[in-house]
Amino acid sequence: EDQVTQSPEALRLQEGESSSLNCSYTVSGLRGLFWYRQDPGKGPEFLFTLYSAGEEKEKERLKATLTKKESFLHITAPKPEDSATYLCAVQHDYKLSFGAGTTVTVRA
Amino acid sequence: AAGVIQSPRHLIKEKRETATLKCYPIPRHDTVYWYQQGPGQDPQFLISFYEKMQSDKGSIPDRFSAQQFSDYHSELNMSSLELGDSALYFCASSPDRNTEAFFGQGTRLTVV
Repeated sequence: EDQVTQSPEALRLQEGESSSLNCSYTVSGLRGLFWYRQDPGKGPEFLFTLYSAGEEKEKERLKATLTKKESFLHITAPKPEDSATYLCAVQHDYKLSFGAGTTVTVRA
Repeated sequence: AAGVIQSPRHLIKEKRETATLKCYPIPRHDTVYWYQQGPGQDPQFLISFYEKMQSDKGSIPDRFSAQQFSDYHSELNMSSLELGDSALYFCASSPDRNTEAFFGQGTRLTVV
């Protein structure tokens, strides 16, 4: 069965303390892996698309990487405004399957 | 830039009533998805449309139906509402089936 697993479930960081979030997947026919940021009560906001192993994408303090079985979202020197739930999703059979997310809290 | 527009933003219905949620995708996007997100849960795929035809179906109850119209807007119809249907419902659209999806701000449905 196709699965997307994110870890850790929650992450509490001090401002400036870099860390990484993990997304591991077991899907057949992967068409793409996506990272989203979601604030409470809001719709997921698109961050990155990764299609092949070895690919990397960067945006401000965020960097996403992809291997054959997992993806990492690295947060460098986070700020309080980076606090959110980060969702990983894989595309297969023309639909997105989401992981449970990692809730990141950055304290000033 | 234009975003996905959903209406209404909030909806309160009683048990056994019917609800209709609307979604207006980003112009020239040919794929529309519907997701349900319960409190503290990840979004669950309900149904998708590609070029106005139903493309994939997820864990959508038989009480729910959806369609996409000629102007590409989509509607999710929910009948015989149950308390467990209370959730955030998101619509997303994509330029094609192989690229990223952009989500609307959602409709919060509360069934009382």
